[in-house]
Amino acid sequence: DAGVIQSPRHEVTEMGQEVTLRCKPISGHDYLFWYRQTMMRGLELLIYFNNNVPIDDSGMPEDRFSAKMPNASFSTLKIQPSEPRDSAVYFCASSGLAGGQDTQYFGPGTRLTVL
Amino acid sequence: AQSVAQPEDQVNVAEGNPLTVKCTYSVSGNPYLFWYVQYPNRGLQFLLKYITGDNLVKGSYGFEAEFNKSQTSFHLKKPSALVSDSALYFCAVRARMDSSYKLIFGSGTRLLVRP
Repeated sequence: DAGVIQSPRHEVTEMGQEVTLRCKPISGHDYLFWYRQTMMRGLELLIYFNNNVPIDDSGMPEDRFSAKMPNASFSTLKIQPSEPRDSAVYFCASSGLAGGQDTQYFGPGTRLTVL
Repeated sequence: AQSVAQPEDQVNVAEGNPLTVKCTYSVSGNPYLFWYVQYPNRGLQFLLKYITGDNLVKGSYGFEAEFNKSQTSFHLKKPSALVSDSALYFCAVRARMDSSYKLIFGSGTRLLVRP
């Protein structure tokens, strides 16, 4: 199993630009989570999906952030327009099958730098 | 409020010595507790979890954790530390928020094992 796949691994962009982060969950998992990690705020849950449906997006910081899951094997997190304070590492995680909902498996993350 | 606390920012231990990384929690109902490890420039990696049963849970890489209900603690332990155990460790608790469940992560404890 390839695990959770995220792309790109690194993204450097200028303020005001649109940023799209991508995630492929582990095959068969029915939960998908997006997190943001910063030194100041630690690990924050942004949004999660169950069976491609958004269940809780209360952690999405602003309307500039949006997430979609068009099918069971793909999700995107979009920031438009991006701001320097969005600089962070963004993780995607998935869970399900024998591990149950709660055991989440994380991707390697996307390090976003907004100049 | 439902929360998890890791009181130590960093733990230093000599290779071969036992290690303990502390975690306390506050949650309504029966706790589901987790430990994750993060190596540099990597995503979080699941180590072990407690849901029910034996208070001593064994996980990956020789780690174990002890659930103590009266002290609301779930400390991570290893009898003999390795230099390769040096990493960032996160404790997490499953919390019910409105109609959904989330994992709430602690702030992390950096473990440094010196040769």
